[in-house]
Amino acid sequence: DIVMTQSPDSLAVSLGERATIKCKSSQSVLYSSNNENYLAWYQQKAGQPPKLLIYWASTRESGVPDRFSGSGSGTDFTLTISSLQAEDVAVYYCQQYFGIPPTFGQGTRLEIK
Amino acid sequence: QVQLKQSDSGLVKPSQTLSLTCTVSGDSMNSGSYYWSWIRQPAGKGLEWIGRIFTSGSTNYNPSLKSRVTISVDTSKNQFSLKLSSVTAADTAVYYCAREVRGYGSGTYVDYWGQGTLVTVSS
Repeated sequence: DIVMTQSPDSLAVSLGERATIKCKSSQSVLYSSNNENYLAWYQQKAGQPPKLLIYWASTRESGVPDRFSGSGSGTDFTLTISSLQAEDVAVYYCQQYFGIPPTFGQGTRLEIK
Repeated sequence: QVQLKQSDSGLVKPSQTLSLTCTVSGDSMNSGSYYWSWIRQPAGKGLEWIGRIFTSGSTNYNPSLKSRVTISVDTSKNQFSLKLSSVTAADTAVYYCAREVRGYGSGTYVDYWGQGTLVTVSS
């Protein structure tokens, strides 16, 4: 299985400040045939299912605020929230869908400082 | 608006079989653009992909669970189901049904999730 490792495990950021979450895969999730990175980001608020934010590493899902952005390629990826809002408090997960089984990172808990 | 509605939570005895159903509304399962998946999450822990099915009946399972998992689909009812046999306490979790977008011929990211069903394994 491809192991996804997120850092940090938890993060406290002031309102309006930038939040950055890293995700590293144990092998490349870049498929050379189509030059796509098979990587998604999800947000999970307490008591709710996860919500898709980003797919193909950098494509924002429809309706997701543009303060959320994804970047990276190969084995190293980043989710950035440019200006933290109160409603962004959640756990964030990266997921690779390059291999079977698809696997998730352990999650990063984001809080307000 | 696509909705995935799961059967209610339940208590399952050790060694028995867990059974869950997910009903899809707002779209036909036969569009050919999606896979239908199950993902679970133990309390306070991360997400584990269980498996997926295409409407042709083709399945992929997590190797760690493959010997105990069966996912089936009934497109006439717009439903798909999960059976997990020989359960233990380690199978206690919230189980989510989900829709995976089909991309480049395979399953990819999940764009819709069910509300989740808590399944507790206990005698």
